[in-house]
Amino acid sequence: TQLLEQSPQFLSIQEGENLTVYCNSSSVFSSLQWYRQEPGEGPVLLVTVVTGGEVKKLKRLTFQFGDARKDSSLHITAAQPGDTGLYLCAGSNAGGTSYGKLTFGQGTILTVHP
Amino acid sequence: NAGVMQNPRHLVRRRGQEARLRCSPMKGHSHVYWYRQLPEEGLKFMVYLQKENIIDESGMPKERFSAEFPKEGPSILRIQQVVRGDSAAYFCASSPLTDLSGNTIYFGEGSWLTVV
Repeated sequence: TQLLEQSPQFLSIQEGENLTVYCNSSSVFSSLQWYRQEPGEGPVLLVTVVTGGEVKKLKRLTFQFGDARKDSSLHITAAQPGDTGLYLCAGSNAGGTSYGKLTFGQGTILTVHP
Repeated sequence: NAGVMQNPRHLVRRRGQEARLRCSPMKGHSHVYWYRQLPEEGLKFMVYLQKENIIDESGMPKERFSAEFPKEGPSILRIQQVVRGDSAAYFCASSPLTDLSGNTIYFGEGSWLTVV
């Protein structure tokens, strides 16, 4: 059974601070996705990383996939109150019946105070 | 493009009743997945379907739960004789037949089932 450990579980910071969320596993994934979920809504895809060592930037968000494709991180620069939400990492393995079968981390609840 | 459409968004059932949750995938998507998010828990994979075929149901409870994706119409997740422990958010996701960007799936807004 593949597991994804996400940390920290809760993060409360002031506006303007930087933060990093980690997603770790002992298993290799062919790709990893990061989602953001608002209360009462479904997860919204932020990014997919597929290559070991890959770094993707989305405005103030930087996503990194570990060289061994077992871990990932999400770094937010100069956090804003609008960044508040639940951040989820999810790993998948390509091919066969595993396609689209995601293993989710427990999530990080981020609160950014004005 | 319309996103993944789920209905109902909220459903209340008494213990012992049946719950039917419907999902229409994004246009052009032929793969449908169902996930469940229990209170205080993360999202868990339930089942993966293509048109008229169940590909992987390894996450489905052995009893009372079933899923289908008929040739015409939406995918349906059916829960018979619901119990309080079935109260959760049920999310449908879809993906295209071929996805060159790397296993990207898109989620609907969910159906919140409450069993009273």
